[in-house]
Amino acid sequence: GAVVSQHPSWVICKSGTSVKIECRSLDFQATTMFWYRQFPKQSLMLMATSNEGSKATYEQGVEKDKFLINHASLTLSTLTVTSAHPEDSSFYICSAAEARGRSLSSYNEQFFGPGTRLTVL
Amino acid sequence: GQNIDQPTEMTATEGAIVQINCTYQTSGFNGLFWYQQHAGEAPTFLSYNVLDGLEEKGRFSSFLSRSKGYSYLLLKELQMKDSASYLCAVRDRDYGQNFVFGPGTRLSVLP
Repeated sequence: GAVVSQHPSWVICKSGTSVKIECRSLDFQATTMFWYRQFPKQSLMLMATSNEGSKATYEQGVEKDKFLINHASLTLSTLTVTSAHPEDSSFYICSAAEARGRSLSSYNEQFFGPGTRLTVL
Repeated sequence: GQNIDQPTEMTATEGAIVQINCTYQTSGFNGLFWYQQHAGEAPTFLSYNVLDGLEEKGRFSSFLSRSKGYSYLLLKELQMKDSASYLCAVRDRDYGQNFVFGPGTRLSVLP
């Protein structure tokens, strides 16, 4: 159980185009999903926290107009990188927290998706 | 704010034991997690500590001392497949219960 998928797993795009990445919880309902970015040889950096049915909470320094997050259902969140540039090339990973309780304090772990490698030419 | 520190790289020999340390400073500590991440893959959950003491799970053990802001991950009977990055992450209730990840420790297991 607790499987999270991401699509696509790898994408190459031209500078200036937009790319949408999907994150799905396959066998559980995820009230909260998290989006991370990881540059080579660096750790995961949280970009935003996405709660189903409400606006995402962005970390300081992350442009909300550039990284559009939609969490329309309990099993799907999407991240759209708008007007992508080469510096946006990175490994994007989502994670989902199972809705076991009414607060996040009841969650013991996050379940990570396999990641999406974005290369912007 | 939060600050998490880990050694950048470690090397060990197959069959040996290795201890990876993690020190942290957070205002609202609410659990510490260890993840394993192979290159190009997503992190996989290894262990979770919220109370002081040792949690053992097969070849992996994790220890926590909240008063010292310190944790370690102990890997026994090292195998080549254990070569990976090991990420220490702290959940902070003053950070919306979000995880803050350390820089990760890249472990190389040599034959």
